Amino acid sequence: GENVEQHPSTLSVQEGDSAVIKCTYSDSASNYFPWYKQELGKRPQLIIDIRSNVGEKKDQRIAVTLNKTAKHFSLHITETQPEDSAVYFCAASGGSQGNLIFGKGTKLSVKP
Amino acid sequence: DGGITQSPKYLFRKEGQNVTLSCEQNLNHDAMYWYRQDPGQGLRLIYYSQIVNDFQKGDIAEGYSVSREKKESFPLTVTSAQKNPTAFYLCASSIVSGQGLNQPQHFGDGTRLSIL
Repeated sequence: GENVEQHPSTLSVQEGDSAVIKCTYSDSASNYFPWYKQELGKRPQLIIDIRSNVGEKKDQRIAVTLNKTAKHFSLHITETQPEDSAVYFCAASGGSQGNLIFGKGTKLSVKP
Repeated sequence: DGGITQSPKYLFRKEGQNVTLSCEQNLNHDAMYWYRQDPGQGLRLIYYSQIVNDFQKGDIAEGYSVSREKKESFPLTVTSAQKNPTAFYLCASSIVSGQGLNQPQHFGDGTRLSIL
């Protein structure tokens, strides 16, 4: 079945710097890759997603890139702000039913 | 999303007791999911349902049971067979695309279950 690896597990940046989180997946049939942001004690919220027919997608300060050949996708946050501090999860669709398989998360800390 | 309501927010279970977590959605979504979240483990799928009166096991279904009698409701029962139930439980829902395309999942606020 599908396996998703996410790195790094923790990331600390200065306000205004960029942050990059990378995920790799194992199932070449996966075709949907969402990213979720989860603040402490709150629900995960979808921030951006990408499908396998697209190589890059951008939404203001957030972008996601997908490399199907290498089977990895990355989240890029530019001009980071303290409110970007949270745990970020990547996921990939996998299995016969296409269920989401999640990475273990990256705790991002943005220092003012 | 305000459209998915989980209750209670906190729940305590005694030894040998079954407890039921509620999940209700008013988004008219066909699919509903239950995940378990442990520190440093990400989200793991317990059960899911794509249509009323039908559901399938996820990766960690042992010790759990569900029902889907109504489109809006997908309760999860943590049975006494689940020996390590302490975790944060998240319910999610999504539309089902006729083309088989995965659709975004929207989550509730979660229930934190602990053992007394």
